[in-house]
Amino acid sequence: LAKTTQPISMDSYEGQEVNITCSHNNIATNDYITWYQQFPSQGPRFIIQGYKTKVTNEVASLFIPADRKSSTLSLPRVSLSDTAVYYCLVGDIGDDKIIFGKGTRLHILP
Amino acid sequence: GAGVSQSPSNKVTEKGKDVELRCDPISGHTALYWYRQSLGQGLEFLIYFQGNSAPDKSGLPSDRFSAERTGGSVSTLTIQRTQQEDSAVYLCASSLGLAGGPTDTQYFGPGTRLTVL
Repeated sequence: LAKTTQPISMDSYEGQEVNITCSHNNIATNDYITWYQQFPSQGPRFIIQGYKTKVTNEVASLFIPADRKSSTLSLPRVSLSDTAVYYCLVGDIGDDKIIFGKGTRLHILP
Repeated sequence: GAGVSQSPSNKVTEKGKDVELRCDPISGHTALYWYRQSLGQGLEFLIYFQGNSAPDKSGLPSDRFSAERTGGSVSTLTIQRTQQEDSAVYLCASSLGLAGGPTDTQYFGPGTRLTVL
């Protein structure tokens, strides 16, 4: 199972673009990369998933370089409500365990 | 539609007592997951069911922990002889189970906050 490393915390300001990078040096060929968001006192919520290059949805973009040893979650024009913990998850269809990283605590300032 | 529900939302118990935590997944979801989250910490994976079967139970912290799922729906996490270190939020999630494992989109419940005195 690929181990992931993320920054413990980040601060940014409203209206800015925020990029959170996750390192997964031993990612396997069939592993996908998934990001979740967790607000206080709630369960995590799916944000985005990708395998390679770039994926974009209405909430975020996910950038994955060719070597796939890292990935970057990009949140455009953040607001105070984006203050949350963001988790990077790497794994394969056949994995029987789900290993979330320690998460990045994002704090958006006015 | 209804999301994942968990009960009770809060449980306070005394050290040494047994507790049962319940998870009702989204209807039609074949995969179900249990996690534990201590205060201010990340998610600790406990166990994953595909249907009624759990391929790997090694994530359970000790033999005091057990989980079952019946009828491919409701799951129960049981902690016997609770200890203070068991205090945490226990989160349940479900997914369609089409892809399986970490590639499936998981939908989380609100959690059960367990406090062991």
